[in-house]
Amino acid sequence: KQEVTQIPAALSVPEGENLVLNCSFTDSAIYNLQWFRQDPGKGLTSLLLIQSSQREQTSGRLNASLDKSSGRSTLYIAASQPGDSATYLCAVSISSNTGKLIFGQGTTLQVKP
Amino acid sequence: SAVISQKPSRDICQRGTSLTIQCQVDSQVTMMFWYRQQPGQSLTLIATANQGSEATYESGFVIDKFPISRPNLTFSTLTVSNMSPEDSSIYLCSVERGLYTEAFFGQGTRLTVV
Repeated sequence: KQEVTQIPAALSVPEGENLVLNCSFTDSAIYNLQWFRQDPGKGLTSLLLIQSSQREQTSGRLNASLDKSSGRSTLYIAASQPGDSATYLCAVSISSNTGKLIFGQGTTLQVKP
Repeated sequence: SAVISQKPSRDICQRGTSLTIQCQVDSQVTMMFWYRQQPGQSLTLIATANQGSEATYESGFVIDKFPISRPNLTFSTLTVSNMSPEDSSIYLCSVERGLYTEAFFGQGTRLTVV
């Protein structure tokens, strides 16, 4: 059974810091991995999608890496800003047919001005 | 990307009643997904809804409690039936788009059962 774990559960940093969020999964047979952002009480915003054959994806100040063999992904946020404060969720898709996403518990990030 | 509209955005309901949540997508999709996010928890898939067939439910979720309709390729509803306070959650609709099946979510429906 696929399980997704995110560490740390919460993180508080001063503005301007570079930071890394971690995601691990127990079964390397994934179709893709996706990082989301969730603001309090809101839906999810897709940040980055990494296919199983890729090693990393970048969008602006965000960079996500994937090491499928070791079951790990990291989300790197450069020069953090207070507007980055949110919960970041990692999710893996185990098949292109089912569309089922298995989510981690999330990392709640607070960036202090 | 995909534009997904959910209604209502939030509601407070009495126990024993039912609430129907609507999900509208800006273009046709084969599958739509319903997730639940209990307070302080991550998301769990309730069911997958295909147009023209019955929804497929995940372990722990049953049709009598969470009936789903999928009348066309851009619309779905999820009903939370005979509600109890344990049903208080955010319910989210999701679709996949693109060659690599990127998932997109609606803004969610925050349900409080009193």
